[in-house]
Amino acid sequence: GENVEQHPSTLSVQEGDSAVIKCTYSDSASNYFPWYKQELGKRPQLIIDIRSNVGEKKDQRIAVTLNKTAKHFSLHITETQPEDSAVYFCAASKAAGGAQKLVFGQGTRLTINP
Amino acid sequence: DTGVSQDPRHKITKRGQNVTFRCDPISEHNRLYWYRQTLGQGPEFLTYFQNEAQLEKSRLLSDRFSAERPKGSFSTLEIQRTEQGDSAMYLCASSALGPTDTQYFGPGTRLTVL
Repeated sequence: GENVEQHPSTLSVQEGDSAVIKCTYSDSASNYFPWYKQELGKRPQLIIDIRSNVGEKKDQRIAVTLNKTAKHFSLHITETQPEDSAVYFCAASKAAGGAQKLVFGQGTRLTINP
Repeated sequence: DTGVSQDPRHKITKRGQNVTFRCDPISEHNRLYWYRQTLGQGPEFLTYFQNEAQLEKSRLLSDRFSAERPKGSFSTLEIQRTEQGDSAMYLCASSALGPTDTQYFGPGTRLTVL
């Protein structure tokens, strides 16, 4: 089955700097790659996603890139702010009978230092 | 609030007892997913419904676990004869039938088995 590896497990950056989180997946049939942000005690919230027919997607300070050949995708956060501090999860899935069950990475705890 | 809701938010039980959790998806979302999240890990897929049909179950879902979605709206997840290893956050997500299938998560039910 699908396996998703996420690095680093913890990341600390200065406010205003950029943060990059990387994920690799094993199943070449995976075609959907969302990123979720989870603050302590709260639900995972989708922040950006990308599909396999696109190489890059950007939404204000957040961007995701996908390299299908290498089977890896990355989250880029620019001009980081204290409210970006949270745990970030990448996930991968493939449509199977309509279902897109998500396989998550282990998470990255991002800390923004003021 | 028109998001995914879950009840209860917290449940403390003694080993061997049965527990039942409820998930109310976003209105008109045909797909409903259950995930389990342990501390410091990403969510793990448990099971998936499309309308009232349970279409996939993970091997993580032992015989003590059962899920239903009788009318294609809310869903219940029951754990019989709870064990300490069942302690986790149980997350529900829903999505609309269609090509995007973006999953929106509920706040989760935190189960503690003593």
